[in-house]
Amino acid sequence: EVQLLESGGGLAQPGGSLRLSCATSGFTFGNYAMSWVRQAPGKGLEWVSGMSGGGHTYYADSVKGRFTISRDTSKNTLYLQMNSLRAEDTALYYCAKDHGHWVARDALDIWGQGTRVTVSS
Amino acid sequence: DIQMTQSPPSLSASVGDRVTITCRASQTISTYLNWYQHKPGKAPELLIYAASSLQSGVPSRFSGSGSGTDFSLTISSLQPEDFATYYCQQSYSTPLTFGGGTKVDIK
Repeated sequence: EVQLLESGGGLAQPGGSLRLSCATSGFTFGNYAMSWVRQAPGKGLEWVSGMSGGGHTYYADSVKGRFTISRDTSKNTLYLQMNSLRAEDTALYYCAKDHGHWVARDALDIWGQGTRVTVSS
Repeated sequence: DIQMTQSPPSLSASVGDRVTITCRASQTISTYLNWYQHKPGKAPELLIYAASSLQSGVPSRFSGSGSGTDFSLTISSLQPEDFATYYCQQSYSTPLTFGGGTKVDIK
């Protein structure tokens, strides 16, 4: 069974940092694209960042230069390093697996339960 | 970036109703369009991918259609477990973008 388990959320001050983790199991991690998607309170879904199976990375304009997606294939784990956090980054962050190898031209077929990030002083 | 516009933002329906949600892209995206169901406190679930392909395990009362810029999701006979928020998402190009969502609640 494919499983995704996010962790690392919490309270951070504006300008601070957090690192989210997404531990995966049940599939060959390095063969699939993965994404981070967030939902701010009372808002809809917003794609944040993605990594292809080949390791190419992509970002939303709202986080480019502040967030970094990475992975450790030996640990089957995806990460999101979030720096220079802003109040508008407050959200529930989901990790999601793609149907295939590429971030685009496919679909997010398995999602985790999410980890909550709050940015406030 | 490709903008996705869903309508209506919300609707009230009864069990057994046929429900249709529409989604329009700001530029042509072929059939790179996916639909998700999201319930409070749960992970979003993929319903339809590539505009009209039913994800494994999803009931056949869900169907999708469209290509280019105009798409729709239809629930043929609404069931109690279908009350949720539905999102379209384009996967034609990064950044991936979602519609604003359609909340389906009980009339």
